[in-house]
Amino acid sequence: NAGVTQTPKFQVLKTGQSMTLQCAQDMNHNSMYWYRQDPGMGLRLIYYSASEGTTDKGEVPNGYNVSRLNKREFSLRLESAAPSQTSVYFCASSGRGQGRETQYFGPGTRLLVL
Amino acid sequence: EDQVTQSPEALRLQEGESSSLNCSYTVSGLRGLFWYRQDPGKGPEFLFTLYSAGEEKEKERLKATLTKKESFLHITAPKPEDSATYLCAVRAGSWGKFQFGAGTQVVVTP
Repeated sequence: NAGVTQTPKFQVLKTGQSMTLQCAQDMNHNSMYWYRQDPGMGLRLIYYSASEGTTDKGEVPNGYNVSRLNKREFSLRLESAAPSQTSVYFCASSGRGQGRETQYFGPGTRLLVL
Repeated sequence: EDQVTQSPEALRLQEGESSSLNCSYTVSGLRGLFWYRQDPGKGPEFLFTLYSAGEEKEKERLKATLTKKESFLHITAPKPEDSATYLCAVRAGSWGKFQFGAGTQVVVTP
């Protein structure tokens, strides 16, 4: 049981390049999330998927696209990276366990855009 | 607009010196309050979910409590390994997104 996994762990991009961040969970959760974490800003929601086939924008969706490939996988794409997208990106999933909602995070992807 | 405020921003404790962290919130239709621990360079680690005023949850030296406007995370007799940033989040409304506070950085010195 790996929980939530993310790839890659680190990435350096040049302005204008594109990339896809991959996320997978093995807890059979319906809901999955992409956050970014910046110093002094806390965790901010980029996109959210309540179930396979559905996605919704969060607080900061501009410059990003997502795909909920199946129940396990939720990817985040940067079509044309900008320095303002330098951040740490976390994927998470949530579901009910023992009657309580829980949310589990992946280890993060550290992205530097030059 | 939903708001989550954590205080203090940072807390320095001596080993064994108990203290409390605060998470105050203003939301419509609370669907749960969540506490996490985050170590440097890692993703947040889920600790507790609280649903209603008066509820308490415990794990080792940590105890979380909830009122109608705020939650407290009590750290009893902390050890250096309790050093971390503690985050709280609320889930509210029909959409149910998680709204996070900025966190409290706790350092416990031997």
